[in-house]
Amino acid sequence: AQSVTQLGSHVSVSEGALVLLRCNYSSSVPPYLFWYVQYPNQGLQLLLKYTSAATLVKGINGFEAEFKKSETSFHLTKPSAHMSDAAEYFCAVSDPGYSTLTFGKGTMLLVSP
Amino acid sequence: GAGVSQSPRYKVAKRGQDVALRCDPISGHVSLFWYQQALGQGPEFLTYFQNEAQLDKSGLPSDRFFAERPEGSVSTLKIQRTQQEDSAVYLCASSLGDGANVLTFGAGSRLTVL
Repeated sequence: AQSVTQLGSHVSVSEGALVLLRCNYSSSVPPYLFWYVQYPNQGLQLLLKYTSAATLVKGINGFEAEFKKSETSFHLTKPSAHMSDAAEYFCAVSDPGYSTLTFGKGTMLLVSP
Repeated sequence: GAGVSQSPRYKVAKRGQDVALRCDPISGHVSLFWYQQALGQGPEFLTYFQNEAQLDKSGLPSDRFFAERPEGSVSTLKIQRTQQEDSAVYLCASSLGDGANVLTFGAGSRLTVL
């Protein structure tokens, strides 16, 4: 069985500060990993995905994430937060042979001016 | 269409009523998924279709939940005899190929059971 743990239900940063959202996963096989963003009253939008190629993955809106097998982590970062980054972020894992995603509980990113 | 469309966006039902939630996936997308997102939680898998075949329904919480995709495009999630614990946002997602590698999500249908 796969699982995802997102540390911190809420993260607050100032505009221009580093964004770090943590994600740890559990999987019995090499996983595929994803970060999705959800704005209020909207569906989830894919930010980036890791599918066993480069361990540092770049996504949209300046976000990136690094797959660290030894730490079973896939943390999401952005060097400089923008007000428009305020949203809820979900980390997800899938087995390459399976058809479903297992999501974490999400982290709400709050950006203050 | 350009995206995944879900209707209704909001549904209020009295406990015991039946509800039907519709999903129009992106044209040509083979795979279709339903997820349930309770307040403050991440989406949880309900069921998966590849074309018209329901390949996985292991996430459906009870036999009151039923999903279909008869012609391999539009899908309907039906909940019979709704209960308060069914209150959630129901998300539909589709992908071009088989599997879940790149999902496009709809905005969801928010169900409130009174």
